[in-house]
Amino acid sequence: DVKVTQSSRYLVKRTGEKVFLECVQDMDHENMFWYRQDPGLGLRLIYFSYDVKMKEKGDIPEGYSVSREKKERFSLILESASTNQTSMYLCASSVGTGADNQPQHFGDGTRLSIL
Amino acid sequence: AQSVTQLGSHVSVSEGALVLLRCNYSSSVPPYLFWYVQYPNQGLQLLLKYTSAATLVKGINGFEAEFKKSETSFHLTKPSAHMSDAAEYFCAVGAGGTSYGKLTFGQGTILTVHP
Repeated sequence: DVKVTQSSRYLVKRTGEKVFLECVQDMDHENMFWYRQDPGLGLRLIYFSYDVKMKEKGDIPEGYSVSREKKERFSLILESASTNQTSMYLCASSVGTGADNQPQHFGDGTRLSIL
Repeated sequence: AQSVTQLGSHVSVSEGALVLLRCNYSSSVPPYLFWYVQYPNQGLQLLLKYTSAATLVKGINGFEAEFKKSETSFHLTKPSAHMSDAAEYFCAVGAGGTSYGKLTFGQGTILTVHP
């Protein structure tokens, strides 16, 4: 089975801090994604990566950056945390080959609180 | 561009009753469609996927969904609800091709099952 591991289940940080959320997948997937999930809004894509060192903005990239130095690891960075970034963050990965969409496999999420 | 609309943010059924969760999509290309389930404090788990092989798709835990192109729908059903089905359900659409595996998610439907 595919395993997507997020480094923290719960995280509490202060406004203005630089925050790192880490995600590792063990299935050699090309694509990796970061979402935030808020009640009533579903999942919104922050950034995604389709290869090492390659990244593209999703729907809500403002206030975030990402890093993918190795294929298995995709990091989300909050440059200067603000209270409106309090949310559940989900990482996902998928196989990138072929013309068809493959399912995304999700981690258990990081519930981030910014005080 | 793709979009997904899930009709009804909350659905409540009795144990043993039919479960019907509605999903309508919009896509400019033949879509790839998915249903995911999320249990409390967990990530998303794939229930089933449609990739044009068959219009009636069977998934895990007794769920199935039918792709209806004329109605642009992909509703999720289960003949008899179980207490363990209580969760949040997400419909998602992908564009395939060079979309790098990106999916667009609906806002989610919370299913409550009463004894």
